[in-house]
Amino acid sequence: DAGVIQSPRHEVTEMGQEVTLRCKPISGHNSLFWYRQTMMRGLELLIYFNNNVPIDDSGMPEDRFSAKMPNASFSTLKIQPSEPRDSAVYFCASSFSGPSYNEQFFGPGTRLTVL
Amino acid sequence: AQTVTQSQPEMSVQEAETVTLSCTYDTSENNYYLFWYKQPPSRQMILVIRQEAYKQQNATENRFSVNFQKAAKSFSLKISDSQLGDTAMYFCAFMANNAGNMLTFGGGTRLMVKP
Repeated sequence: DAGVIQSPRHEVTEMGQEVTLRCKPISGHNSLFWYRQTMMRGLELLIYFNNNVPIDDSGMPEDRFSAKMPNASFSTLKIQPSEPRDSAVYFCASSFSGPSYNEQFFGPGTRLTVL
Repeated sequence: AQTVTQSQPEMSVQEAETVTLSCTYDTSENNYYLFWYKQPPSRQMILVIRQEAYKQQNATENRFSVNFQKAAKSFSLKISDSQLGDTAMYFCAFMANNAGNMLTFGGGTRLMVKP
């Protein structure tokens, strides 16, 4: 099992550019989570999908951020236009959501730098 | 809404000694899980230990154990026989049983194990 796969691992872009982060969850998992980690705010949940449907997007900071999950094996987090304050590490995680607890597995993260 | 607080931004311990990391949380839920995650310099998020709130017995995983005080809403992590590889950020996290596996993280404690 390859685990949760994220790409790219590092992204450097200029303010105003569109940024797309990608995530492939573990096969068989039906829940997917996007987190953002910064020094100031720590780890924050941005959005959560279950069976490809967004369930809770209350953590998405503003309209510049959007996330999609077109199928069970792929999700994107897009920032348009990007700003320097979006610089952070973005994690994707997946789990199987059922009647009992199942561990959430994290990807390696994407370090985004917006100049 | 749940909150998780880690009051120790940084700690250090000598190799082979024992260290305890503190965590408190606030919730109105009765059924939930608590976790400690380790994030080494590689930034990979690794689950260290899990505690179910309905269990009175404290969880233990090899050198890692917790002191779960439900009434006090306290959940500390004890690392025995500290090793250099334990140097990392440690995050306490909360998950309500009915929250679809969504995690709420504390701000983290940076642990340095000194030789």
